[in-house]
Amino acid sequence: NAGVMQNPRHLVRRRGQEARLRCSPMKGHSHVYWYRQLPEEGLKFMVYLQKENIIDESGMPKERFSAEFPKEGPSILRIQQVVRGDSAAYFCASSPEGPQYGYTFGSGTRLTVV
Amino acid sequence: AQSVTQLGSHVSVSEGALVLLRCNYSSSVPPYLFWYVQYPNQGLQLLLKYTTGATLVKGINGFEAEFKKSETSFHLTKPSAHMSDAAEYFCAVSSGTYKYIFGTGTRLKVLA
Repeated sequence: NAGVMQNPRHLVRRRGQEARLRCSPMKGHSHVYWYRQLPEEGLKFMVYLQKENIIDESGMPKERFSAEFPKEGPSILRIQQVVRGDSAAYFCASSPEGPQYGYTFGSGTRLTVV
Repeated sequence: AQSVTQLGSHVSVSEGALVLLRCNYSSSVPPYLFWYVQYPNQGLQLLLKYTTGATLVKGINGFEAEFKKSETSFHLTKPSAHMSDAAEYFCAVSSGTYKYIFGTGTRLKVLA
């Protein structure tokens, strides 16, 4: 019974490149949430998706960031033209319904922008 | 608006001693409260949660937390620390929606 799978675990990008982070939710989970953890900070909500729908992207930076959760395949968090300030750990969580039961988080993708 | 304050970014205890990690919250609606643990280079694992009902919540690995509404607190305790408890611990609050507000974390060090 695999948990929430994120890949890659570590990603290094040069400034100006694109970063694509993938998240496969737990089996049977149709709700996906992305959080970002900046150094020395707690996790901050970014976006909430259901299959083929963005429910709430209020935590996403207005530019360069986008997320999708297609009918088939993993959820993708895409960061275009990365800058040093995008360096962080990006965590994905999933739930079968609403999160009042507690999220299950993946191991995260640690993005380093050089 | 909701917020979480974790007092003490670093806590050290001796092996076998009591672990107490503090969390205070602010919420205008009945809160849902969570404690997560993060081991180095890993994701967050849910330790325990309070939604409704009994205010003393027992979690995994011998941890427990008590919801005290009058003190707006949800402190995490464990009677006897083990070396394997060394990790970072995060308190989080939710109003029952999908947005969790996380504290900045407490790094627990266990001394031999």
